Amino acid sequence: AQSVTQLDSQVPVFEEAPVELRCNYSSSVSVYLFWYVQYPNQGLQLLLKYLSGSTLVKGINGFEAEFNKSQTSFHLRKPSVHISDTAEYFCAVSSLSGNTPLVFGKGTRLSVIA
Amino acid sequence: ETGVTQSPTHLIKTRGQQVTLRCSSQSGHNTVSWYQQALGQGPQFIFQYYREEENGRGNFPPRFSGLQFPNYSSELNVNALELDDSALYLCASSLAGTAQGEQYFGPGTRLTVT
Repeated sequence: AQSVTQLDSQVPVFEEAPVELRCNYSSSVSVYLFWYVQYPNQGLQLLLKYLSGSTLVKGINGFEAEFNKSQTSFHLRKPSVHISDTAEYFCAVSSLSGNTPLVFGKGTRLSVIA
Repeated sequence: ETGVTQSPTHLIKTRGQQVTLRCSSQSGHNTVSWYQQALGQGPQFIFQYYREEENGRGNFPPRFSGLQFPNYSSELNVNALELDDSALYLCASSLAGTAQGEQYFGPGTRLTVT
């Protein structure tokens, strides 16, 4: 079984400042890792994913994340945030078996302040 | 290419009633997964359907049931509604056999049980 811990429930940050949203996971098997974004009253949109290969993954909207196997972490970063980045961000994992469900963290609310 | 759609958008039901939520998968996708997102929480896996058969289930009671149709659309049925069933219900479609993570989410159905 897998589990995901998002260490911060809320992160306020000023516009154009850098941000890091932290995610740690637990699993007895190798996993795939994902970050999703949820804007108010909308579904989930995939930001980026780590399947294999390079541990630094680049996604949409200028976000990137680094997979650290020894620390079982997959932190999300952006060097300069915009007001439009205000949303809920979810880290998720799934096992490497085909068609397995996603296990999500509780989410981090990113609030960008003008 | 048509994305994942869900209906209705919002729904209000009374405790003890039954509800049916609908999902149309993205064109070409043959797998549908349903998730429940309670307020302030991350989505939790309910079940998955592949080729019209249930292909995995989370920790939800039998009063949560589903169907997948030959066109890969799906329904989620909940009987004997309880107040705790109030949540956003998300449907995600994917294509079995592709790299894990290619789950595309719909906008969700907001269910309120009074």
